[in-house]
Amino acid sequence: DAMVIQNPRYQVTQFGKPVTLSCSQTLNHNVMYWYQQKSSQAPKLLFHYYDKDFNNEADTPDNFQSRRPNTSFCFLDIRSPGLGDAAMYLCATSIAGGPTGELFFGEGSRLTVL
Amino acid sequence: QKEVEQNSGPLSVPEGAIASLNCTYSDRGSQSFFWYRQYSGKSPELIMSIYSNGDKEDGRFTAQLNKASQYVSLLIRDSQPSDSATYLCAVLNDYKLSFGAGTTVTVRA
Repeated sequence: DAMVIQNPRYQVTQFGKPVTLSCSQTLNHNVMYWYQQKSSQAPKLLFHYYDKDFNNEADTPDNFQSRRPNTSFCFLDIRSPGLGDAAMYLCATSIAGGPTGELFFGEGSRLTVL
Repeated sequence: QKEVEQNSGPLSVPEGAIASLNCTYSDRGSQSFFWYRQYSGKSPELIMSIYSNGDKEDGRFTAQLNKASQYVSLLIRDSQPSDSATYLCAVLNDYKLSFGAGTTVTVRA
């Protein structure tokens, strides 16, 4: 059974039209992450939540925002998508201080910007 | 300097051979080390984790860690066509995971 679920799996939007990607988890993990992965590149951490505390990476553009209304859900909002924002967006969860530090990934949401 | 660097590849090996992947990292305080496999268009899948110096074997996979040299490697023995994928090295600091750019492996039948 899927433990980290991302929706939609594929999203097509127009230049400048806001997009929201969602992530839900059944693992009750306290940390949730959003990564951006462009073609042939490493996944890049955009931000993460440690419980309710939001942590933004220094180089994450202001165009990207996130919400975590409760432990199970996290959203990625792209306010005005540009062509350069086309990528796979990966949600992951972990237990901070857990025995392994392993991150559990969802299947990803692929964003296309026209 | 990139936090995590991998040999760029691509790496092509014949079926049944050993594929050797290398990774170096910059932060000496790094605590945990992972290898993920990623098929085209899919999300990363954890295949190995290693936390202390030495070797760790799991089936056809062996991970090696040398913290003094800040070096992690992955060996894939008896390579199969299904091993054809991009392999991502990842390093954990506190609870944030940093990835290398990946090495693409192609196993020739």
